[in-house]
Amino acid sequence: EAQVTQNPRYLITVTGKKLTVTCSQNMNHEYMSWYRQDPGLGLRQIYYSMNVEVTDKGDVPEGYKVSRKEKRNFPLILESPSPNQTSLYFCASSPPGRGETQYFGPGTRLLVL
Amino acid sequence: AQSVTQPDIHITVSEGASLELRCNYSYGATPYLFWYVQSPGQGLQLLLKYFSGDTLVQGIKGFEAEFKRSQSSFNLRKPSVHWSDAAEYFCAVVLGGGGNKLTFGTGTQLKVEL
Repeated sequence: EAQVTQNPRYLITVTGKKLTVTCSQNMNHEYMSWYRQDPGLGLRQIYYSMNVEVTDKGDVPEGYKVSRKEKRNFPLILESPSPNQTSLYFCASSPPGRGETQYFGPGTRLLVL
Repeated sequence: AQSVTQPDIHITVSEGASLELRCNYSYGATPYLFWYVQSPGQGLQLLLKYFSGDTLVQGIKGFEAEFKRSQSSFNLRKPSVHWSDAAEYFCAVVLGGGGNKLTFGTGTQLKVEL
């Protein structure tokens, strides 16, 4: 089954404790992206990757890092989480063309105390 | 600024009634246009998309959307709503610039009364 998986699905942590949210897709997609969803703001892009070893900032990159060492994986790293990073996070993937349909993971709900 | 506007934060309709969710975009050219649905506790599922051609687009679950260039709108419609349609609906566009970035509206929460 074609899918995007994220782990963990739920996470409670404390300020400053480094964490990683994993994202994996099995569709051989070049393009991958991370979004965060906040009430009243919709979804906003954090980082994206056009292919292996090619990443770039989205609209809200502060406090986040990403890496793309393999085509299927695109982890999101919070090196020193803060309460304002409490949010619902979605990973997405698509073929490389602009306007291609993006497929979303199930989401990771993060609470930073 | 380039943006997507969904003017209705909440909409309540009775089961069996028709539905229209509004979406307007601000962009110099015609963007790629999408509607996604998010059911409670779920990820986002694509309902339909528009790139070019016929301005009335059919999607899954009985939804359709009409692109109107003169109004910069891409409204989502359904002739008869089912209780299972209760969810949050997001309009999104892909503009120019970096990659395949989706720019989302703030969403419309749909409640269906039985």
